[in-house]
Amino acid sequence: ETGVTQSPTHLIKTRGQQVTLRCSSQSGHNTVSWYQQALGQGPQFIFQYYREEENGRGNFPPRFSGLQFPNYSSELNVNALELDDSALYLCASSLGGGQRGNYNEQFFGPGTRLTVL
Amino acid sequence: GQQVMQIPQYQHVQEGEDFTTYCNSSTTLSNIQWYKQRPGGHPVFLIQLVKSGEVKKQKRLTFQFGEAKKNSSLHITATQTTDVGTYFCAGRGTSGYSTLTFGKGTMLLVSP
Repeated sequence: ETGVTQSPTHLIKTRGQQVTLRCSSQSGHNTVSWYQQALGQGPQFIFQYYREEENGRGNFPPRFSGLQFPNYSSELNVNALELDDSALYLCASSLGGGQRGNYNEQFFGPGTRLTVL
Repeated sequence: GQQVMQIPQYQHVQEGEDFTTYCNSSTTLSNIQWYKQRPGGHPVFLIQLVKSGEVKKQKRLTFQFGEAKKNSSLHITATQTTDVGTYFCAGRGTSGYSTLTFGKGTMLLVSP
């Protein structure tokens, strides 16, 4: 086990609702990245937080937003849910040393399975 | 934008056979990582390659990074049933704000 935890494990929402997913990073790690993994696909990078600031963003609309807290845990918020948002949401923690994105060895959490009806 | 492609999408082998998955990027990469994801699980980091032409070995796994830093491969010798899973490569571009792009993965099934 990596020490990265995510909650909830599963979630069912309806179209138009909002959702907040949570991630606790591994002890000592200051960087959290969020990924969306659709069935049968590779993880797609949403964004990364380093020391409470967004530190890189993938090709996702602004309704995907996030936060990182002083203890380096993180939240992913998705507004106005769409059916296509149904996926496994993964967070990954790592130890970063710079503000231009840290993509060293990442430790993934077990993920949150989101279903949008 | 940067694209990372993996082939094959799926491979079914008999235990003891070898297996190779290939990863190709549309742009030059600064580094490439490999992950393994078991069915129902999450990706687990295997290795990172940084140098042109780099070759690294982990027991039965051999990882290569191409000379042009646009392709990579993972070779497993004498597969075992514990090797079952999906293998992903993930590459990062060379610009300072490049992010990590995963391929779609190669699913490996090993029959005893």
